[in-house]
Amino acid sequence: GEDVEQSLFLSVREGDSSVINCTYTDSSSTYLYWYKQEPGAGLQLLTYIFSNMDMKQDQRLTVLLNKKDKHLSLRIADTQTGDSAIYFCAEAETGRRALTFGSGTRLQVQP
Amino acid sequence: SQTIHQWPATLVQPVGSPLSLECTVEGTSNPNLYWYRQAAGRGLQLLFYSVGIGQISSEVPQNLSASRPQDRQFILSSKKLLLSDSGFYLCAWSVGRRVGYEQYFGPGTRLTVT
Repeated sequence: GEDVEQSLFLSVREGDSSVINCTYTDSSSTYLYWYKQEPGAGLQLLTYIFSNMDMKQDQRLTVLLNKKDKHLSLRIADTQTGDSAIYFCAEAETGRRALTFGSGTRLQVQP
Repeated sequence: SQTIHQWPATLVQPVGSPLSLECTVEGTSNPNLYWYRQAAGRGLQLLFYSVGIGQISSEVPQNLSASRPQDRQFILSSKKLLLSDSGFYLCAWSVGRRVGYEQYFGPGTRLTVT
């Protein structure tokens, strides 16, 4: 079965880089996603990476995928207080009709 | 552009009362629709998904049911709420042949069962 794991909490100082990690178990995953959830709100799609890619960069966000180790990371450069939120990684498998989400990593940015 | 609406935003209901949460999507046709539940700020559990009108698939056995009476309307219901039904309910949509690709979420409904 599929399982997605994340660390629960990360604290960084404003201006530093944040790295949020995720591991998944299902090798048939096709797309992997990062979502952001601010308090009391729905999930916002931040970025995604196709399983045949190693890296994807989008402004301050860099996604790294190590398919051999089934490890996904999200790096946020120059972290701002507005980046404080819960970050979820999720995987989509071929033929499965929904995403499997990790339990979320709460990012706290200290001013 | 596409938008997704959920209502109500918050709801407090006594145990044993019925439930109806509504989700509508604008700006797209024949979307795949999903209901998720998030308990205590944790991960998301998929409850139901639908690939078309009247087509509902349930992921986990539970006290809830879902219906899709129109193409862009998805309803989550219960006849009698349990305390364990409390949580944050999220509706999402996606399009395309590859179901599950790039899901977009509504603002959520926070349900407290007392």
